[in-house]
Amino acid sequence: EPEVTQTPSHQVTQMGQEVILRCVPISNHLYFYWYRQILGQKVEFLVSFYNNEISEKSEIFDDQFSVERPDGSNFTLKIRSTKLEDSAMYFCASLLSGGTGEFFGPGTRLTVL
Amino acid sequence: AQSVTQPDIHITVSEGASLELRCNYSYGATPYLFWYVQSPGQGLQLLLKYFSGDTLVQGIKGFEAEFKRSQSSFNLRKPSVHWSDAAEYFCAVGNTGGFKTIFGAGTRLFVKA
Repeated sequence: EPEVTQTPSHQVTQMGQEVILRCVPISNHLYFYWYRQILGQKVEFLVSFYNNEISEKSEIFDDQFSVERPDGSNFTLKIRSTKLEDSAMYFCASLLSGGTGEFFGPGTRLTVL
Repeated sequence: AQSVTQPDIHITVSEGASLELRCNYSYGATPYLFWYVQSPGQGLQLLLKYFSGDTLVQGIKGFEAEFKRSQSSFNLRKPSVHWSDAAEYFCAVGNTGGFKTIFGAGTRLFVKA
C-alpha cells in the first residue's frame, strides 16, 4: 500500500538554527499538507500546498516557516530560526482529491534546545 | 468555522467491555469525518472515514462510527475492547474547500484488565 514517508524521524537542533523537514508524499497525490502536534496537545494545521503554491496557511505559519516542492517527489518544511516552542511532532500529509481523505506520514519529532 | 469537540479527555474501560467515544462537530455543509488513533510517540492511523451514504461506517480493528446529522455527532464504537486499543483517539472533520483537516483535542483510552 502506498504511504507517505518523512525524514528524519527525530531531529534535535539548537535554538536559532534552521531546520528542514522532509516528506515524500504518495506519488500521484496533488495536495500536500503540514501539521504540528505539540506534546500532549491536538494536531494543528499549518499549511496546505497545491499546484506549486500555498493554498492556505494558519496563523502559526508565520514568516519563519516556508514550504517547497523542489522536485516531483519531495515536499519540505523549513523553519528558518527555530524557537523552543517549535518543539513538536510534525506530520506531513497528502491527498489525491477531495472526498478521499488525507494520508499522514509517521511524523518527525523536532526538539529545539 | 469548522470545529470538533471531544468532550471526554480520557476514558477507562475494562477489557472486553464496550466502548463509545463521543465526537461533535460544527460545519456548514455535509462534512467529511474521520477517526484517527495514535499510540504514544507514534503517527496517526486512520480508523475510518465518512464522506456520504450509509451513516454507519465500519473501520479497521473492529471499530465503527455512526454519523448523526441531527445531533452533529460522529461517535466511535467498539463492542469489545482489547488491551491493545489503549491509545489516543482523534475525531476530525475535513474541509471540502482546501481539504485540510481539523482535529479534536483527543480522548485518551485506558484499558484495565
